[in-house]
Amino acid sequence: QVTLKESGPGILQPSQTLSLTCTFSGFSLSTYGMGVGWIRQPSGKGLEWLANIWWDDDKYYNPSLKNRLTISKDTSNNQAFLKITNVDTADTATYYCARIGLGAGWYFDFWGPGTMVTVSS
Amino acid sequence: DTVLTQSPALAVSPGERVSISCRASEGVNSYMHWYQQKPGQQPKLLIYKASNLASGVPARFSGSGSGTDFTLTIDPVEADDTATYFCQQSWNDPWTFGGGTKLELK
Repeated sequence: QVTLKESGPGILQPSQTLSLTCTFSGFSLSTYGMGVGWIRQPSGKGLEWLANIWWDDDKYYNPSLKNRLTISKDTSNNQAFLKITNVDTADTATYYCARIGLGAGWYFDFWGPGTMVTVSS
Repeated sequence: DTVLTQSPALAVSPGERVSISCRASEGVNSYMHWYQQKPGQQPKLLIYKASNLASGVPARFSGSGSGTDFTLTIDPVEADDTATYFCQQSWNDPWTFGGGTKLELK
């Protein structure tokens, strides 16, 4: 059974660094072809893809935020991480991590429940 | 970036057939996927690579299209299908999502 769960600080101040953790089970990020992505959703709005990390440690970022994003993984502990530097109120959103399906197609087949992040002074 | 355009909202009666469209600003081959999101929940994969039904998804859901025009069809619609439906492409970088279509039942 594949599960993912995000954790984060809940609230932080502008200019701080947001650190998010995705803890998953039911699969391994060392398996060929496996990946995990981060997606966010401001309240009442649409979804925005942020970054992906793959089994071979390849990383892809959304260019609109690339300079502020760092994605990483800890394969032995089944975790993936995302850091966003210099946050602003526009970064207030629910942040999801999701598994990228093994089949060729690059889709998110399992999602975590999300963690809400509020940026406020 | 590849812009995915969806109609903002649709209203249908239970038992009817509904088609939700997603138009891409450039070709995405068949790398279009559909998700259902109910209020307060995470998105759920319905269709991957344009027309493949995800595991556990009822056969009432189907997908079609290629290139720039894609359709998610629900037939027949049930009350539980009230949700927002998002398309997502993974052919062009960066991956992008449509704005979502809110499906309401009359």
